Amino acid sequence: ETGVTQTPRHLVMGMTNKKSLKCEQHLGHNAMYWYKQSAKKPLELMFVYSLEERVENNSVPSRFSPECPNSSHLFLHLHTLQPEDSALYLCASSQTYGTSGRDTQYFGPGTRLTVL
Amino acid sequence: QKEVEQNSGPLSVPEGAIASLNCTYSDRGSQSFFWYRQYSGKSPELIMSIYSNGDKEDGRFTAQLNKASQYVSLLIRDSQPSDSATYLCAVNLWSGAGSYQLTFGKGTKLSVIP
Repeated sequence: ETGVTQTPRHLVMGMTNKKSLKCEQHLGHNAMYWYKQSAKKPLELMFVYSLEERVENNSVPSRFSPECPNSSHLFLHLHTLQPEDSALYLCASSQTYGTSGRDTQYFGPGTRLTVL
Repeated sequence: QKEVEQNSGPLSVPEGAIASLNCTYSDRGSQSFFWYRQYSGKSPELIMSIYSNGDKEDGRFTAQLNKASQYVSLLIRDSQPSDSATYLCAVNLWSGAGSYQLTFGKGTKLSVIP
């Protein structure tokens, strides 16, 4: 496996279900990100982890819960979602995160989530 | 409000022509600028990064940066139908919380007509 991988690629869930999205990066990077991409809207940053510590949480509802057990893996736990949460969820990684302003992010293929 | 603005298009160009994609940003302190290509139903793929004023060329792609005008563009020479995609401009904007945050425009949809 190379780059950034995500599973599952597609997920359909009911509003009462609990599911998890998984991301793995094989680039030796220290920062990982979750983004949400909805139709007609720019990518929205949800969470950032740097060296396994959460450094950004952009006012995301508590029904989304991230977990970063190590620098290569990132999870997004989902529970009691709403239909408006249906979107493409993208994971990304970068070598570093911080004050240089030059971090280049590489994206995984995404998980297409549909909430019924 | 710190923003990245792009014309949503669609931008249609004939095969072999030059496609010109434009982006403006609000934060004068921005340090790095990226162009991503996103095919329908796929994830963004990095095409170019640029950090200094002027032009940066990579094959058929040229990124142009003018920090004084807060403007970055992407030129695609000899456009091919396979270039048809949405092009996302991304800028590292200072978040005000001690770090930069990559902020994306809504993207410009490019259609190259055979």
